[in-house]
Amino acid sequence: EAGVAQSPRYKIIEKRQSVAFWCNPISGHATLYWYQQILGQGPKLLIQFQNNGVVDDSQLPKDRFSAERLKGVDSTLKIQPAKLEDSAVYLCASSQGTLSSYNSPLHFGNGTRLTVT
Amino acid sequence: AQSVTQLDSQVPVFEEAPVELRCNYSSSVSVYLFWYVQYPNQGLQLLLKYLSGSTLVKGINGFEAEFNKSQTSFHLRKPSVHISDTAEYFCAVSDFKAAGNKLTFGGGTRVLVKP
Repeated sequence: EAGVAQSPRYKIIEKRQSVAFWCNPISGHATLYWYQQILGQGPKLLIQFQNNGVVDDSQLPKDRFSAERLKGVDSTLKIQPAKLEDSAVYLCASSQGTLSSYNSPLHFGNGTRLTVT
Repeated sequence: AQSVTQLDSQVPVFEEAPVELRCNYSSSVSVYLFWYVQYPNQGLQLLLKYLSGSTLVKGINGFEAEFNKSQTSFHLRKPSVHISDTAEYFCAVSDFKAAGNKLTFGGGTRVLVKP
Protein backbone atom coordinates (compact mmCIF):
# COMPACT_ATOMS: atom_id res chain seq x y z
CA GLU A 1 0.00 0.00 0.00
CA ALA A 2 1.16 3.54 -0.64
CA GLY A 3 2.30 5.39 2.46
CA VAL A 4 1.45 8.81 3.81
CA ALA A 5 2.59 11.43 1.31
CA GLN A 6 3.72 14.89 2.36
CA SER A 7 4.95 17.88 0.42
CA PRO A 8 7.11 19.81 0.20
CA ARG A 9 10.02 17.96 1.86
CA TYR A 10 11.83 21.18 2.69
CA LYS A 11 10.80 24.81 2.99
CA ILE A 12 12.77 27.89 3.92
CA ILE A 13 10.92 31.13 4.61
CA GLU A 14 11.52 34.39 6.37
CA LYS A 15 9.71 35.27 9.57
CA ARG A 16 6.31 36.83 9.12
CA GLN A 17 5.81 35.01 5.81
CA SER A 18 3.17 32.34 5.36
CA VAL A 19 3.60 28.69 4.45
CA ALA A 20 1.40 25.68 3.77
CA PHE A 21 2.03 21.96 4.02
CA TRP A 22 0.08 19.22 2.32
CA CYS A 23 -0.66 15.66 3.42
CA ASN A 24 -2.29 12.75 1.61
CA PRO A 25 -3.03 9.91 4.06
CA ILE A 26 -3.22 6.23 3.33
CA SER A 27 -6.39 5.43 1.43
CA GLY A 28 -9.27 4.58 3.72
CA HIS A 29 -7.68 5.93 6.89
CA ALA A 30 -10.28 7.80 8.87
CA THR A 31 -8.01 9.59 11.31
CA LEU A 32 -5.33 12.11 10.39
CA TYR A 33 -2.85 13.83 12.69
CA TRP A 34 -0.38 16.70 12.37
CA TYR A 35 2.63 16.62 14.66
CA GLN A 36 5.36 19.21 15.19
CA GLN A 37 8.85 17.88 15.89
CA ILE A 38 11.33 20.48 17.04
CA LEU A 39 14.99 19.50 16.71
CA GLY A 40 16.06 17.31 19.62
CA GLN A 41 12.51 16.72 20.87
CA GLY A 42 9.79 14.17 20.38
CA PRO A 43 6.80 14.91 18.14
CA LYS A 44 4.02 17.00 19.66
CA LEU A 45 0.43 16.65 18.48
CA LEU A 46 -0.96 19.80 16.89
CA ILE A 47 -4.31 18.63 15.57
CA GLN A 48 -6.29 15.44 15.04
CA PHE A 49 -9.05 14.92 12.47
CA GLN A 50 -11.66 12.20 12.30
CA ASN A 51 -12.80 12.17 8.69
CA ASN A 52 -13.25 15.91 8.04
CA GLY A 53 -14.04 16.92 11.62
CA VAL A 54 -11.58 18.20 14.23
CA VAL A 55 -11.25 15.89 17.26
CA ASP A 56 -8.53 17.73 19.14
CA ASP A 57 -6.78 21.01 18.37
CA SER A 58 -5.98 21.97 21.95
CA GLN A 59 -2.25 22.36 21.24
CA LEU A 60 -2.59 24.20 17.95
CA PRO A 61 -1.51 27.88 18.20
CA LYS A 62 -4.68 29.13 16.61
CA ASP A 63 -3.52 32.72 16.29
CA ARG A 64 -1.13 31.64 13.53
CA PHE A 65 -1.76 28.00 12.68
CA SER A 66 -4.75 26.60 10.81
CA ALA A 67 -5.56 23.22 9.34
CA GLU A 68 -8.30 21.70 7.30
CA ARG A 69 -9.24 18.33 5.92
CA LEU A 70 -11.78 18.89 3.22
CA LYS A 71 -13.74 15.85 2.05
CA GLY A 72 -12.10 13.77 4.77
CA VAL A 73 -9.03 12.88 2.70
CA ASP A 74 -6.15 15.31 2.07
CA SER A 75 -5.18 17.87 4.65
CA THR A 76 -3.31 21.16 4.67
CA LEU A 77 -1.58 22.86 7.58
CA LYS A 78 -0.91 26.58 7.29
CA ILE A 79 1.22 28.97 9.32
CA GLN A 80 0.60 32.69 8.97
CA PRO A 81 2.67 34.59 9.98
CA ALA A 82 5.62 32.33 10.75
CA LYS A 83 7.93 32.88 13.71
CA LEU A 84 11.49 31.71 14.24
CA GLU A 85 10.32 29.16 16.83
CA ASP A 86 8.16 27.46 14.18
CA SER A 87 11.29 25.94 12.67
CA ALA A 88 10.65 22.22 12.95
CA VAL A 89 9.69 19.09 11.06
CA TYR A 90 5.94 18.82 10.52
CA LEU A 91 4.81 15.22 10.44
CA CYS A 92 1.52 13.97 9.12
CA ALA A 93 0.19 10.60 10.26
CA SER A 94 -2.92 8.59 9.57
CA SER A 95 -4.58 5.59 11.14
CA GLN A 96 -7.34 3.27 10.14
CA GLY A 97 -9.07 3.46 13.48
CA THR A 98 -12.04 5.50 14.48
CA LEU A 99 -12.60 7.31 17.75
CA SER A 100 -13.62 4.04 19.38
CA SER A 101 -10.55 2.20 18.19
CA TYR A 102 -7.71 2.94 20.55
CA ASN A 103 -4.90 0.87 19.19
CA SER A 104 -4.76 1.24 15.41
CA PRO A 105 -1.15 1.99 14.56
CA LEU A 106 -0.20 5.40 13.25
CA HIS A 107 1.52 5.55 9.87
CA PHE A 108 3.79 8.57 9.47
CA GLY A 109 4.88 10.48 6.40
CA ASN A 110 8.49 11.61 5.94
CA GLY A 111 7.66 15.10 7.10
CA THR A 112 8.25 18.64 5.91
CA ARG A 113 11.30 20.38 7.33
CA LEU A 114 10.56 24.07 7.85
CA THR A 115 13.30 26.60 8.45
CA VAL A 116 12.24 30.12 9.42
CA THR A 117 14.98 32.74 9.10
CA ALA B 1 -2.37 14.10 31.35
CA GLN B 2 0.52 11.82 30.57
CA SER B 3 4.24 12.31 30.22
CA VAL B 4 7.06 10.16 28.91
CA THR B 5 10.69 10.35 29.97
CA GLN B 6 13.46 8.76 28.01
CA LEU B 7 16.39 8.75 30.37
CA ASP B 8 19.17 8.67 27.79
CA SER B 9 19.38 11.21 25.01
CA GLN B 10 22.20 9.36 23.27
CA VAL B 11 23.44 5.79 23.44
CA PRO B 12 26.64 4.80 21.64
CA VAL B 13 27.04 1.05 21.22
CA PHE B 14 29.35 -1.26 19.33
CA GLU B 15 28.05 -3.51 16.58
CA GLU B 16 26.83 -6.92 17.86
CA ALA B 17 26.64 -5.63 21.43
CA PRO B 18 23.34 -5.50 23.32
CA VAL B 19 21.46 -2.25 23.85
CA GLU B 20 18.75 -1.12 26.26
CA LEU B 21 16.80 2.10 25.88
CA ARG B 22 14.98 3.25 28.97
CA CYS B 23 11.48 4.70 29.05
CA ASN B 24 9.38 5.74 32.02
CA TYR B 25 5.90 7.16 31.86
CA SER B 26 3.48 8.97 34.09
CA SER B 27 -0.27 8.68 33.78
CA SER B 28 -3.32 8.74 36.02
CA VAL B 29 -5.08 6.19 33.84
CA SER B 30 -4.16 2.97 32.11
CA VAL B 31 -2.20 3.40 28.91
CA TYR B 32 -1.07 1.68 25.78
CA LEU B 33 2.68 1.83 25.14
CA PHE B 34 4.65 2.08 21.92
CA TRP B 35 8.17 2.30 20.58
CA TYR B 36 8.83 4.04 17.27
CA VAL B 37 12.06 4.31 15.26
CA GLN B 38 13.02 7.26 13.08
CA TYR B 39 15.76 6.86 10.50
CA PRO B 40 17.44 10.03 9.18
CA ASN B 41 15.13 12.22 7.11
CA GLN B 42 12.25 9.78 7.46
CA GLY B 43 9.02 9.57 9.38
CA LEU B 44 8.42 7.35 12.38
CA GLN B 45 7.95 3.61 12.04
CA LEU B 46 6.28 1.43 14.65
CA LEU B 47 8.66 -1.06 16.28
CA LEU B 48 6.30 -2.63 18.78
CA LYS B 49 3.36 -1.95 21.05
CA TYR B 50 1.93 -3.11 24.35
CA LEU B 51 -1.84 -3.20 24.62
CA SER B 52 -2.53 -5.95 27.14
CA GLY B 53 -1.55 -9.51 28.01
CA SER B 54 2.05 -10.66 28.19
CA THR B 55 4.34 -7.97 29.51
CA LEU B 56 7.14 -9.00 27.15
CA VAL B 57 6.46 -7.70 23.68
CA LYS B 58 8.41 -8.65 20.58
CA GLY B 59 8.65 -6.30 17.63
CA ILE B 60 10.32 -5.96 14.29
CA ASN B 61 14.06 -6.11 13.62
CA GLY B 62 14.75 -8.22 16.71
CA PHE B 63 13.64 -5.63 19.25
CA GLU B 64 11.63 -6.44 22.35
CA ALA B 65 10.28 -4.43 25.26
CA GLU B 66 9.03 -5.26 28.73
CA PHE B 67 6.15 -3.47 30.42
CA ASN B 68 6.58 -3.04 34.16
CA LYS B 69 3.46 -1.53 35.68
CA SER B 70 4.84 -1.12 39.19
CA GLN B 71 7.83 0.81 37.90
CA THR B 72 5.83 2.52 35.11
CA SER B 73 8.53 1.54 32.65
CA PHE B 74 8.67 0.17 29.13
CA HIS B 75 12.33 -0.42 28.31
CA LEU B 76 13.40 -1.45 24.82
CA ARG B 77 16.13 -4.03 24.25
CA LYS B 78 18.00 -5.75 21.46
CA PRO B 79 20.53 -8.49 22.19
CA SER B 80 22.80 -7.72 19.22
CA VAL B 81 22.68 -4.49 17.24
CA HIS B 82 23.63 -3.84 13.63
CA ILE B 83 24.96 -0.74 11.96
CA SER B 84 21.53 -0.32 10.38
CA ASP B 85 19.99 0.17 13.83
CA THR B 86 21.56 3.62 13.98
CA ALA B 87 18.50 5.83 14.37
CA GLU B 88 16.43 7.76 16.88
CA TYR B 89 14.00 5.83 19.04
CA PHE B 90 10.86 7.26 20.60
CA CYS B 91 8.75 5.85 23.38
CA ALA B 92 5.09 6.90 23.36
CA VAL B 93 1.93 6.39 25.38
CA SER B 94 -1.72 6.54 24.49
CA ASP B 95 -4.46 7.09 27.02
CA PHE B 96 -7.11 4.33 27.25
CA LYS B 97 -9.77 7.00 27.40
CA ALA B 98 -8.40 9.28 24.71
CA ALA B 99 -10.33 9.20 21.50
CA GLY B 100 -8.56 7.99 18.44
CA ASN B 101 -5.17 6.89 19.76
CA LYS B 102 -3.43 10.20 20.45
CA LEU B 103 0.21 9.63 21.26
CA THR B 104 2.38 11.47 23.75
CA PHE B 105 6.05 11.02 22.87
CA GLY B 106 9.22 11.08 24.89
CA GLY B 107 12.16 13.20 23.86
CA GLY B 108 13.88 10.40 21.97
CA THR B 109 17.09 8.41 22.32
CA ARG B 110 19.64 8.62 19.57
CA VAL B 111 21.43 5.28 19.04
CA LEU B 112 24.77 5.32 17.28
CA VAL B 113 26.10 1.90 16.38
CA LYS B 114 29.85 1.82 15.91
CA PRO B 115 31.70 -0.84 13.90
